[in-house]
Amino acid sequence: NAGVMQNPRHLVRRRGQEARLRCSPMKGHSHVYWYRQLPEEGLKFMVYLQKENIIDESGMPKERFSAEFPKEGPSILRIQQVVRGDSAAYFCASSPDQAEKLFFGSGTQLSVL
Amino acid sequence: QKEVEQNSGPLSVPEGAIASLNCTYSDRGSQSFFWYRQYSGKSPELIMSIYSNGDKEDGRFTAQLNKASQYVSLLIRDSQPSDSATYLCAVNIDNNDMRFGAGTRLTVKP
Repeated sequence: NAGVMQNPRHLVRRRGQEARLRCSPMKGHSHVYWYRQLPEEGLKFMVYLQKENIIDESGMPKERFSAEFPKEGPSILRIQQVVRGDSAAYFCASSPDQAEKLFFGSGTQLSVL
Repeated sequence: QKEVEQNSGPLSVPEGAIASLNCTYSDRGSQSFFWYRQYSGKSPELIMSIYSNGDKEDGRFTAQLNKASQYVSLLIRDSQPSDSATYLCAVNIDNNDMRFGAGTRLTVKP
């Protein structure tokens, strides 16, 4: 049973470009969480999705950031017009049910030049 | 603002000692509590979950939960250098979101 798959592992973008981060949850998991982590800091909640629904996006900036989890395919975290402050590690996690333990992907390290 | 708070450390203990990590949370309705370990440059991995008041033991790890005090802790007995990592407390908020503390960096010195 494959774990949570995130790609790419590393993503380099210039200011103003778009970044698309992908996350395929574990088989059978319908709950996906996205977190952002800066060096030496904890995980900052961004968004919680179930299949085709955004349950809570209170941690995600209202501008430039969006997330989706379509019926088919991976969850996508999209950052438009990236700025240097968007540089961070973005982790995706999935769970089989709400309030259950999370399984994390390896993360995507986004670097904005 | 609902929060999960941890002492950021760093916490340094000698090999073989007990490491004690603490976490408080603000949402009285929280029912699920977790401890994750994160090695530098790696993703978090679950080491303990606890749902009821009291102690839960798993090998060298013991999680303690006190819902009245809104407090959860992790004890690591016979600490090893390989336990050196950042430990993240996670609390389920509103039966929905999983919120993490800032993490406590633990160093176990040989």
